[in-house]
Amino acid sequence: QITLKESGPTLVKPTQTLTLTCTFSGFSLSTSGVGVGWIRQPPGKALEWLALIYWDDDKRYSPSLKSRLSITKDTSKNQVVLTMTNMDPVDTATYYCALPRPGFDYWGQGTLVTVSS
Amino acid sequence: QSVLTQPPSVSAAPGQKVTISCSGSSSNIGNNYVSWYQQLPGTAPKLLIYENNKRPSGIPDRFSGSKSGTSANLGITGLQTGDEADYYCGTWDSSLSVYNYVFGTGTKVTVL
Repeated sequence: QITLKESGPTLVKPTQTLTLTCTFSGFSLSTSGVGVGWIRQPPGKALEWLALIYWDDDKRYSPSLKSRLSITKDTSKNQVVLTMTNMDPVDTATYYCALPRPGFDYWGQGTLVTVSS
Repeated sequence: QSVLTQPPSVSAAPGQKVTISCSGSSSNIGNNYVSWYQQLPGTAPKLLIYENNKRPSGIPDRFSGSKSGTSANLGITGLQTGDEADYYCGTWDSSLSVYNYVFGTGTKVTVL
């Protein structure tokens, strides 16, 4: 059974760095072809893809956010970590991690991150 | 600003059919597979269609996908009240010489 779960702070201040962890089970990020991605959704708005990391450490980022994002993996812990620097209130959103196989067919429940002073 | 354009809303009576369009370009839909996602209120998105027209296990055949050129469509037949949700298309885009995933603007389906 494949599961993913996001964890991290629910509230961050403007200019701070957000660190989110995706902990998964049911698959391995050391398996050829496997990747884990991050997607966010501001309240009442559309989905926005952020980043994706593959089993071979290939990393892809949203061009509009690339300078602020970093994605890493810890295969031994079955975790993927996303960091986003210089947080702003417009970054308030539910952040999801998901497994593409192809198309994102397994999603975490999401975690709401609010950016406010 | 999404590069994939969808109508903001579509509606139909129970039992009827709706079609949701997703318009892109040669850098995305024109040269890549399209997926469709359903997001019920307050829940995470769910994959409905992948590789343009394939359904994951458990997705009823009331949902269908198609692609032509730089556009794709999601069809829902036999509309049910439980189909009221937001629907998003998604695909890879290579317009900036790197591959990145893009989602559509989203379409709200209302069952009248």
